[in-house]
Amino acid sequence: QVRLVESGGGVFQPGTSVRLSCAGSGFAFNRFAIHWVRQAPGKGLEWVATISYDGSTKTYADSVKGRFSLSRERYNNALYLQMNRLRPDDTAVYYCARSPSAMVAFGGVFVAHFDYWGQGALVTVSS
Amino acid sequence: QSALTQPASVSGSPGQSITISCTGTTSDVGSFNLVSWYQQHPDKAPKLIIFEVNKRPSGISDRFSGSKSGNTASLTISGLQIEDEADYYCSSYAGKTTFVFGIGTKVTVL
Repeated sequence: QVRLVESGGGVFQPGTSVRLSCAGSGFAFNRFAIHWVRQAPGKGLEWVATISYDGSTKTYADSVKGRFSLSRERYNNALYLQMNRLRPDDTAVYYCARSPSAMVAFGGVFVAHFDYWGQGALVTVSS
Repeated sequence: QSALTQPASVSGSPGQSITISCTGTTSDVGSFNLVSWYQQHPDKAPKLIIFEVNKRPSGISDRFSGSKSGNTASLTISGLQIEDEADYYCSSYAGKTTFVFGIGTKVTVL
């Protein structure tokens, strides 16, 4: 079955960096776009970023633009969310979620939902 | 990228129907038939229950249905069951490969 697993969470000081990983199994990981969605403690869901199947398209929420970056290593089915200049309001559970498509938008066709989710990785930013 | 508006809470008795609204703008909900809904039980990951306004993924009960009119989408849960008690979030495509979620609605089964 489709499974996504996030790793790399922990406690970090403001201003530092962390790299989260997302690993997929049960499907052809390199053929699907992947999203990151976060949820602050007791709060709602917030879309963070999206990367296309081949890494050619990456988009970010305004709240993380310029600080977070996505990459994927197709040769080892790895996907990373690099989070720099961490702030206390980045504290959240970070979920990676699969798109059922290689790209969100292509040729006038849009696929804009998240069909499978990982269990999340908690990132706490505190001094 | 302002969050979509949802009621904070909705409640109903077993067997009843409830509807959760999700209001956006002409930049998101109103422009695309790309609204999805997610169910989240406490300390669990969200689960997709509706996509593209009114489509159900395989395995999702037909008690869940979706609709949209203008800038507002709705999720209806018919024949409310105890296990439906959870948080529900809507999401919409907002153009240029960006997305926006609703603030979430807590459903209580009385």
